[in-house]
Amino acid sequence: GENVEQHPSTLSVQEGDSAVIKCTYSDSASNYFPWYKQELGKRPQLIIDIRSNVGEKKDQRIAVTLNKTAKHFSLHITETQPEDSAVYFCAASPPHPVYGGSQGNLIFGKGTKLSVKP
Amino acid sequence: EAGVTQFPSHSVIEKGQTVTLRCDPISGHDNLYWYRRVMGKEIKFLLHFVKESKQDESGMPNNRFLAERTGGTYSTLKVQPAELEDSGVYFCASSQDWRGGRDTEAFFGQGTRLTVV
Repeated sequence: GENVEQHPSTLSVQEGDSAVIKCTYSDSASNYFPWYKQELGKRPQLIIDIRSNVGEKKDQRIAVTLNKTAKHFSLHITETQPEDSAVYFCAASPPHPVYGGSQGNLIFGKGTKLSVKP
Repeated sequence: EAGVTQFPSHSVIEKGQTVTLRCDPISGHDNLYWYRRVMGKEIKFLLHFVKESKQDESGMPNNRFLAERTGGTYSTLKVQPAELEDSGVYFCASSQDWRGGRDTEAFFGQGTRLTVV
């Protein structure tokens, strides 16, 4: 089955710096890669996702890159702000055997605790 | 629109007791998932319902865990009897129908923190 490794487990940056979180996955058939942000005491929330037919996707200060050959994907946050402090989870989703899209169940990495210091 | 809601938010029970967690998905979402996060570890997939049917229960740890989704609306996850290693945060998530190759966002509840003592 799918296995997702996430690094680093903790990351501390100064406000305004960039932060990069990296994940690798094992199942080459996985085709959907979301990133979730979980603030303390709150629910995980999707911040960005990428599908296997796309190499990069941006949304304001957040970007995700995917290298299918190497089976790794990364989250990039630029101009970090204190409110970016949270635990970030990457995930991979295997395809549905019939419909081809994401099967829906997510295999998560262990999370990265990002601290942005003012 | 109401999000995914879970009850209770916290539960402390003794080893050997029974606990039932409840999840109300977003109205109209056919897909309902249960996940669990043990302290410091990944959020681990437990089970996937499509409407009232179990699509995938490969993540259920053992037969002490029973999930149901009668009528295809809310779902319950019962742990009986509870063991110390069952402690963790149990998340529920829901998403729309994914047929046709569409990938849809999974919306998470706030989780139920279960502590078995």
